[in-house]
This record gives sequence, C-alpha cells and structure tokens, in this order.
Amino acid sequence: KAGVTQTPRYLIKTRGQQVTLSCSPISGHRSVSWYQQTPGQGLQFLFEYFSETQRNKGNFPGRFSGRQFSNSRSEMNVSTLELGDSALYLCASSPGLANTGELFFGEGSRLTVL
Amino acid sequence: GENVEQHPSTLSVQEGDSAVIKCTYSDSASNYFPWYKQELGKRPQLIIDIRSNVGEKKDQRIAVTLNKTAKHFSLHITETQPEDSAVYFCAAPANRGGADGLTFGKGTHLIIQP
Repeated sequence: KAGVTQTPRYLIKTRGQQVTLSCSPISGHRSVSWYQQTPGQGLQFLFEYFSETQRNKGNFPGRFSGRQFSNSRSEMNVSTLELGDSALYLCASSPGLANTGELFFGEGSRLTVL
Repeated sequence: GENVEQHPSTLSVQEGDSAVIKCTYSDSASNYFPWYKQELGKRPQLIIDIRSNVGEKKDQRIAVTLNKTAKHFSLHITETQPEDSAVYFCAAPANRGGADGLTFGKGTHLIIQP
C-alpha cells in the first residue's frame, strides 16, 4: 500500500508570490490534515478536510487555504508569501477523522521564502 | 479551549535510564491521546495512543498514562536506547467552535547519552 505522497518536496519562492502544495493520501483514507512545522513551534494545525469538506481550521490568516478533491487528494495554497511562511508543511491522512485514530504523515514539502 | 502543553522541551537521560514526558490539555471532552515520534529528517510516526476509557496502556518499553481528572497524560520510556533519541509530540482533540481537530504539543527533544 503506497504511503502519503507530498509534492513538491522542496521549493523556493520570493515574498509576495503564491504557492500550491499537493498531498495524495493513502488509498481509502478520507481525511487529510495539514500542519506547519517550524523549529520551536512544533506541529501547528492548519486545517482538516474530510470527504471534500473543511472540518476545521487553525489560527492562520486567510492567505492559507486548501481544498480536497473527490479522490481525497488535497491541495493547500498560500498567497502573498511572507518570510515567516518558510517551514516544513506536512500533510497526514487517516481513514476517519483526525481526532479518532492514527495519522499517517507524508515526508513534507519544505518551503523557503526569500 | 484547544491548548496542549508539553514538558519538558528538552530531556537528556543516560542510556538505560527512564524518560518521562508530560502533557496537559484543556478540553475536558477530549477522548483520544496519541504520541508521535519524529526522528531527525523523518516524518512523525505514531508510537502509542490511549483512549479515555483506560488509565494506562503499555507496549514493550513504552507506556502512556492518563489522568482525566487532572487533564494530563504522560509518556514513559524505560531502559532507554540510542534509537530512542528523537522529538516526541503529544496530541489531543480540541473543540474549535464545535468542530473537533487534533492539536499537538510543541514537542520534547529526547537525547539519550551513551
């Protein structure tokens, strides 16, 4: 069974640009959650999608958005990039809601904003 | 509330000794408490979890205890080995305006001294 796949793995952008990250969950998993990981801040929750619906959203500005497709693949978008957006973005999939069982993480997309 | 506090942020122990990491949560309705291990440069992986209907769960050298009254849970690692060196994250469900998600602590960097 293939694991969670995130693309791209690495990317460099400049301030003001926008970026789209992709996450393909494990087959059969209906939930995809996104997290921002920075040194000292741990894993900060961005949002969770379940069956194409955004279930909840963390404390991030509206520049951060996402969506989920009918095949459960998910994308997140960050517009008007700022230096502070540099981070590792992790997605995780699970069969049910994220707060009910094991999350399976991807390897992450490392974003550097210059 | 959705706060998950984790302590300590760094823990150094001698190989063979025990390590204990503690987390507190604020939402009394929380009922699922996982622990994730993230080795350097790798994705977080679930190592153990506990549900609110039990007070303790063991899996070989690791155990988790839960005190619902005090709203805290702890990870215990006995007979520590070099491969236990990693960052450990606790997590708990959170209620955000009626929609639950999963909030992570900021992590504990466990260092096993030879």
